Amino acid sequence: DGGITQSPKYLFRKEGQNVTLSCEQNLNHDAMYWYRQDPGQGLRLIYYSQIVNDFQKGDIAEGYSVSREKKESFPLTVTSAQKNPTAFYLCASRRGAPNTGELFFGEGSRLTVL
Amino acid sequence: DQQVKQNSPSLSVQEGRISILNCDYTNSMFDYFLWYKKYPAEGPTFLISISSIKDKNEDGRFTVFLNKSAKHLSLHIVPSQPGDSAVYFCAATRTGTASKLTFGTGTRLQVTL
Repeated sequence: DGGITQSPKYLFRKEGQNVTLSCEQNLNHDAMYWYRQDPGQGLRLIYYSQIVNDFQKGDIAEGYSVSREKKESFPLTVTSAQKNPTAFYLCASRRGAPNTGELFFGEGSRLTVL
Repeated sequence: DQQVKQNSPSLSVQEGRISILNCDYTNSMFDYFLWYKKYPAEGPTFLISISSIKDKNEDGRFTVFLNKSAKHLSLHIVPSQPGDSAVYFCAATRTGTASKLTFGTGTRLQVTL
């Protein structure tokens, strides 16, 4: 089945540690996105990538890093510089034209900093 | 600065009745709008969209209305079913921005028996 797989589903991290969230898609989509969701808030864009080896900052990129070495993969690293990393992280890929294609989301990864 | 607003955090509707979820936006550059549905601990799923060149789009039980002059859109679900109980997010984007979506804060819909 085609889809987006995020792992791990739940992750605990001590303060000061970096952590990498995995996102893999087998939909053959060119564009991929990372969003963050906090309670009572909408999804906010962290980073996005339209093609391999290229990515751009979203609205809240500080404290995060990404890579896009393969079309299928778009991992997100939450660094120790991110001041409030506890959140629900969602990866998505885009189908269709860049202007109007809807996004397909994975099931999310919940990160808790202890 | 919340560019997409969903002012009702929750809504309760009886099964079989109409559900109306509202969304307002402030950025006049937005020209494409989407609704997503989200169940707990899952990613959102796309529901329906509308371009700014239209004022209505229909897909089965779901209809989205766009009022550009009021910068307002609404999602109508008729008839509402218990399986529709979820959080609904309104999202907006501007042509040429690589589908960078700006989301509202969501409305939790509860469809009661």
